[in-house]
Amino acid sequence: AQTVTQSQPEMSVQEAETVTLSCTYDTSESDYYLFWYKQPPSRQMILVIRQEAYKQQNATENRFSVNFQKAAKSFSLKISDSQLGDAAMYFCAYGTGTASKLTFGTGTRLQVTL
Amino acid sequence: ETGVTQSPTHLIKTRGQQVTLRCSSQSGHNTVSWYQQALGQGPQFIFQYYREEENGRGNFPPRFSGLQFPNYSSELNVNALELDDSALYLCASSFRKQVGETQYFGPGTRLLVL
Repeated sequence: AQTVTQSQPEMSVQEAETVTLSCTYDTSESDYYLFWYKQPPSRQMILVIRQEAYKQQNATENRFSVNFQKAAKSFSLKISDSQLGDAAMYFCAYGTGTASKLTFGTGTRLQVTL
Repeated sequence: ETGVTQSPTHLIKTRGQQVTLRCSSQSGHNTVSWYQQALGQGPQFIFQYYREEENGRGNFPPRFSGLQFPNYSSELNVNALELDDSALYLCASSFRKQVGETQYFGPGTRLLVL
């Protein structure tokens, strides 16, 4: 069974600084999809970024980028120029095939301080 | 474009009762997935509906059941509620593709079982 591990229950970053959230996963599949979702106190899960395993290039979305290391089964999220609105729970998720069934990690709570 | 909506936002039930949660998918989407998120945990996949049929199920007992309607909206039904069913229930919609769908989540329904 696929598993997703987020080893950092909590992280803190100062406004305007950079922070990296870690995620590792375990799979025997060669083709799969990885996602980072953000869940603010409003509870709604918001897609931050996605990565296709067959793509070597790391995905980027504005201030958000990933470091995808397929051999190491690692998928970290880097947030640059952190903003107060980035404070939330961040979940790493894995999907294969249609990616219609996602396996989530336990999340990392990110605090952003002034 | 209308996002994923869920109703009700909060619900309190007693053990043994039955509950129905509702989800309207995002405009243009034809697939709905349901997840259970216990406090402090990542979401767990319950099941998915595509073309009004269950299309994949996680490790949940048969008292968790669902429906999808022709307009792609969906219901999650839970019978014989147990205390451990207390959780945030998330609905996600997507457009069925051969591979690599992206799921978009609703704000969730918080269920408390007393």
